[in-house]
This record gives sequence, structure tokens and C-alpha cells, in this order.
Amino acid sequence: SAVISQKPSRDICQRGTSLTIQCQVDSQVTMMFWYRQQPGQSLTLIATANQGSEATYESGFVIDKFPISRPNLTFSTLTVSNMSPEDSSIYLCSVEDPALGYGYTFGSGTRLTVV
Amino acid sequence: KQEVTQIPAALSVPEGENLVLNCSFTDSAIYNLQWFRQDPGKGLTSLLLIQSSQREQTSGRLNASLDKSSGRSTLYIAASQPGDSATYLCAVPSGGGADGLTFGKGTHLIIQP
Repeated sequence: SAVISQKPSRDICQRGTSLTIQCQVDSQVTMMFWYRQQPGQSLTLIATANQGSEATYESGFVIDKFPISRPNLTFSTLTVSNMSPEDSSIYLCSVEDPALGYGYTFGSGTRLTVV
Repeated sequence: KQEVTQIPAALSVPEGENLVLNCSFTDSAIYNLQWFRQDPGKGLTSLLLIQSSQREQTSGRLNASLDKSSGRSTLYIAASQPGDSATYLCAVPSGGGADGLTFGKGTHLIIQP
């Protein structure tokens, strides 16, 4: 199955700053997905990133807060901008994986704490 | 809009017991269902994927079933071990095509040695 390298694995950031999370996939994929998991909660889809076009954001998430880049078919970044303590979450990237019968494979996650 | 519910929210059992985790979904027009395991503070590990044409899938001590018509899936864990302690998440495709997944809130499982 696809292997996703996500970094950083964790970070502690000051409020008002920004953090960029990177995901690298070992195969070419059409779409990459970014999720947020707030403490004690399940995963919520932030946006879908398609190479060559702007990301599609879910209700409640906006580009100014979570800008996404997708420069090629194996790489994407998510930036969490102007952070506040409420942004403290685990952020995960995911791809649909043909080797998994078109199930989804996830990166190892980025644990973000905003102080 | 697809909604996924998992019962129970938490479960603590002694080692060696067989157990069942439940998942229900509101929109039965899914093409697959996936069970994941999540260890604290970590990413997701895919356990089993059941295609809509299948009724069950097995991997080692794990068996997952799918009943699309009733909107239900179960994950059966046989002969539980302390290493099975984790949160188990059920997820279904959110909509047509590759639209990402909708997740349940998970079952937090503790296996007591």
C-alpha cells in the first residue's frame, strides 16, 4: 500500500504564528485529503487537494486559515495560520489507495499544541 | 449527509475475551467501509476494508461484517490481548467518488492483563 511521510510529527507553537505540515506520498495520487482531530474527538475533513487546482474546503474551514499547496502528484502542504490554542489538534493527511482496494491510507499525523 | 455512530464509546474487558464493536451509518449508498485502529496521539492504521459487494473480511483475529441494507457493520476481535488496547474507528466514504471519509467517534478499548 501507499506510504505517506508526514512531518513534523509534533510541534509546540506560540499563538499568532503559523505552522506548515508536509505530506509526501511514495506514489502519484490524484487527490490528497487533510483532516483535523481535536482532543477527544474523531476526524473531520478539512479539505481535498487536487494537483493543479485550488483545494476544496469543507464547511467551517477557510483558505485564509488553512492554506493548502499541491505542487505535484506526490506532495502537499497544509498551513495552520495565525494559530490560537483552539487549533491544538492532530492533523493528518490521507490518500485513496488502489493497493488497498481504494480504501484510504493515512500519514502518521502531526500533533500540534498552541500555547 | 452521512453520519456514522459507534457503540460502545468505551469498553474495558479482561484479556482473552471475544468482543464486538458496532458501527452504524445513515446513508447505505456506500461502496466500502473501513475499520481503523488509532493508538494515543498517533495516526491511523487500516485494519480491514469491506467492499459493498462483500459481507465480511477477516485478518488474523479480526473479522468485520457489513450489512449495507441495515446500515451496520461490526468488528469482532477474538481472544483479545493487551496489545489490542487502542481506539477503533469506523469510516465510510462521504459521498460520490473520492470525497474523503466520514468517521464515527470511535470505541476506546482497554484490554486488562
